[in-house]
Amino acid sequence: QVQLQESGPGLVKPSQTLSLTCSLSGVSIDTFGYYWNWVRQFPGKGLEWLGYIHHSGSTYYNPFFTTRVSISRDKSKNQFSLSLTSVTAADTAVYYCARTMTTVIKAFDYWGRGTLVTVSS
Amino acid sequence: IVLAQSPDTLSLSPGERATLSCRASHNVNSNYLAWYQQKPGQAPRLLIFGASSRATGTPDRVSGSGSGADFTLTISRLEPEDFAVYYCQQYGSSPWTFGQGTKVEIK
Repeated sequence: QVQLQESGPGLVKPSQTLSLTCSLSGVSIDTFGYYWNWVRQFPGKGLEWLGYIHHSGSTYYNPFFTTRVSISRDKSKNQFSLSLTSVTAADTAVYYCARTMTTVIKAFDYWGRGTLVTVSS
Repeated sequence: IVLAQSPDTLSLSPGERATLSCRASHNVNSNYLAWYQQKPGQAPRLLIFGASSRATGTPDRVSGSGSGADFTLTISRLEPEDFAVYYCQQYGSSPWTFGQGTKVEIK
């Protein structure tokens, strides 16, 4: 059974870097045919896709975030991570990791439970 | 691509039919349009992909239709577990984007 679990600090100070990790179980991060994504949901409930890391290790980011976002992976731990620099209060959101397939479904078919990150001094 | 969902809120009774709209600012490539259901405190759950294909576990009373820039999610007879917020999402063009959501509430 595929499961994703986010972890990381719930509080980050303005101008600092937000760092989160997504741990996978039931599937290997380098299994052919998947993108591993980060999606966030604002307090007003809007959803925003940040980017993904491919099973090959290549990355692709939302063009609105290319200067601030970075996604990496640790194959030995079966995890991938999000780094978002220079955060402001506008980055306060629930952050989800989610899977998409590169064929057939292509939408977000598995999600983590999400973790709330608040940006505040 | 900007996705506009309507209405913002739909107030219906169990057993009634729900029709939710999602309109895109540009045609969605290959009809790569998905629908998700979200309940309080939970992550979104995939219901429909490719505009009209049901995801695993999606009941037959839930269906998706449409093409180009105009899409619809229909729930033929509302069950108590269907009262939730629904989002559409396009994954045909980068950046992948979501609609603002439609809340289906009990009347």
